[in-house]
Amino acid sequence: IAGITQAPTSQILAAGRRMTLRCTQDMRHNAMYWYRQDLGLGLRLIHYSNTAGTTGKGEVPDGYSVSRANTDDFPLTLASAVPSQTSVYFCASSEGITADTQYFGPGTRLTVL
Amino acid sequence: SQQGEEDPQALSIQEGENATMNCSYKTSINNLQWYRQNSGRGLVHLILIRSNEREKHSGRLRVTLDTSKKSSSLLITASRAADTASYFCATYYTGGFKTIFGAGTRLFVKA
Repeated sequence: IAGITQAPTSQILAAGRRMTLRCTQDMRHNAMYWYRQDLGLGLRLIHYSNTAGTTGKGEVPDGYSVSRANTDDFPLTLASAVPSQTSVYFCASSEGITADTQYFGPGTRLTVL
Repeated sequence: SQQGEEDPQALSIQEGENATMNCSYKTSINNLQWYRQNSGRGLVHLILIRSNEREKHSGRLRVTLDTSKKSSSLLITASRAADTASYFCATYYTGGFKTIFGAGTRLFVKA
């Protein structure tokens, strides 16, 4: 069982470019999440999905969009990247929508120049 | 604003000593979780304590929760160099639909 996989592992991107970070889980979890981690700020929730077909905004959603076409995949898209989106991005999943243990992917390190 | 805040921000101890990290939060919670993150890796769940529980143990880990003070502590006993990592508390608060993470405590255990 792989758990959660993320791709790419790292990426350097020019400002203004579009970028999609991929996330796939094989645990059949209903809920999935995208976080960004910045030094000194911990993890901040960008978007989440309680179940396939639904998404919601987290703490810092501006500049990002997500989709949840099926249970396994939860891609995060930066439509026009800006330097402030330089961060480490983590995808996570949990069995249910409330209060469950979250399982994290290995992260994607994104640098926007 | 973040729901949970860890204290201290960084902690350096000798192998064999106990490490205590604290977490304070702002509103009523359903549960509080502790996670560990090794450098460059994703977070790994350690332990969950529910709002009606006061203490939980898992191996060398002991977590306490004081809902009257809105605080929790994570104790790692007989620390090892391999315990070197960042530790985060995460709170799922009453009426919310998301788990909020604190900024973490960086623990360094010297061999």
